[in-house]
Order: sequence, then structure tokens, then C-alpha cells
Amino acid sequence: KQEVTQIPAALSVPEGENLVLNCSFTDSAIYNLQWFRQDPGKGLTSLLLIQSSQREQTSGRLNASLDKSSGRSTLYIAASQPGDSATYLCAVGEGGSEKLVFGKGTKLTVNP
Amino acid sequence: NAGVTQTPKFQVLKTGQSMTLQCAQDMNHEYMSWYRQDPGMGLRLIHYSVGAGITDQGEVPNGYNVSRSTTEDFPLRLLSAAPSQTSVYFCAAGRARSYEQYFGPGTRLTVT
Repeated sequence: KQEVTQIPAALSVPEGENLVLNCSFTDSAIYNLQWFRQDPGKGLTSLLLIQSSQREQTSGRLNASLDKSSGRSTLYIAASQPGDSATYLCAVGEGGSEKLVFGKGTKLTVNP
Repeated sequence: NAGVTQTPKFQVLKTGQSMTLQCAQDMNHEYMSWYRQDPGMGLRLIHYSVGAGITDQGEVPNGYNVSRSTTEDFPLRLLSAAPSQTSVYFCAAGRARSYEQYFGPGTRLTVT
């Protein structure tokens, strides 16, 4: 059974810092990995999608990498801002299944 | 484009009552799904559909029914609400399972 783990569960940083959020998964037979942002009481906003054949994706200050063989993905946020404060969720699309398997998220707080 | 919309935003039910959570998308995406989000559990797949007239069960389908008569709509029915169904429900849509998934704002359901 696929399991997705996100470490740390919570992170607090000063504004301007570069930071890395980690996501690991137990079964490397995935077809993609997606990073989402969730603000309190809100829905999920898709940030980046990495297909299984790709190594990384970039959008603005965000960069996500994927290492299928080691079962890891990282989300790099450059020059963090208070507006980046949210919970970040990692989800893997299982091979042979219709299911997205989610991690429990990392709650990020960026302090002014 | 509104993307994925869900109604209602909030709902309180008594045990045993039935209701339908509405989900609609205007992106003409074939794939739609329902997830529930519970504290400490992450998001879990309830049901999904790969196109009009086709539905299938996810990880936690018991107590829920779905149908997909049009590409745009994918309602989730609670047959006889139980306190264990207290949760936040999210609907998602995507071109296919391997593509980016877009989530609605969620419905917060409380069953007393």
C-alpha cells in the first residue's frame, strides 16, 4: 500500500529565507506527483505537477524535484514571503490505480 | 471559467438524514473525483468517474453514492448520514487521471 510522508509537519521561518519541504513515498510505481497549497478553510490549489518521466518542474519561486528511484520529492521555495504561509500537500498518482495518495502536509509559517 | 464549484459550503445534518453534495466543473474534463479530508488522516478518495455514465469506488466508498449523467456534474449522495461522515468534502476534476487535478473549495459537513 502506497504511503506518503511529509516532513516536517510544521515549519516556521523568517521572511526572505529559502526553504525545502520534503515528501517521500513507499512505492516508486507512480505516474505523477503533484504539490498543492491549502489555505485555512479553503480548497487545494495546484502548484506543480511532475510526471514520472520528469525530474523537476519550476513555477516562479517554486521548484519541485522528483527522484522516483529513492521515492522522494522536494519543494523548494525561494525568498519566502508571509503570503506563502499555508499548508503544503504532496500527492502521488498511483500506477495502475485512479487514486491520488496524499501526505498529511507541512504547515508553513513565514514570519515578517 | 469558474473551475470546480461545490455547494453547499457548510451543512449540518442529523444522523439518518440524506443529502446530496453538488459538484460542477466548466473545464470539460473527463475525470472527476470526490475526497474527504479528516484531521490526522489526510485526503482519501471516495468515488471517481472517468467520464459520463462511468463511476467507480475509491478507498472509502461505504455510505456514499455517485452518478455521472453529464460531463459537468458529479453529485455525491449520503444515503443515511452518520457522525463518522463529519468531514470536509472536496471534489476534483482533471483531463484524465495522469493530468493535473483541480479541486473545488470544499463542503464542510457536520453530522450530529
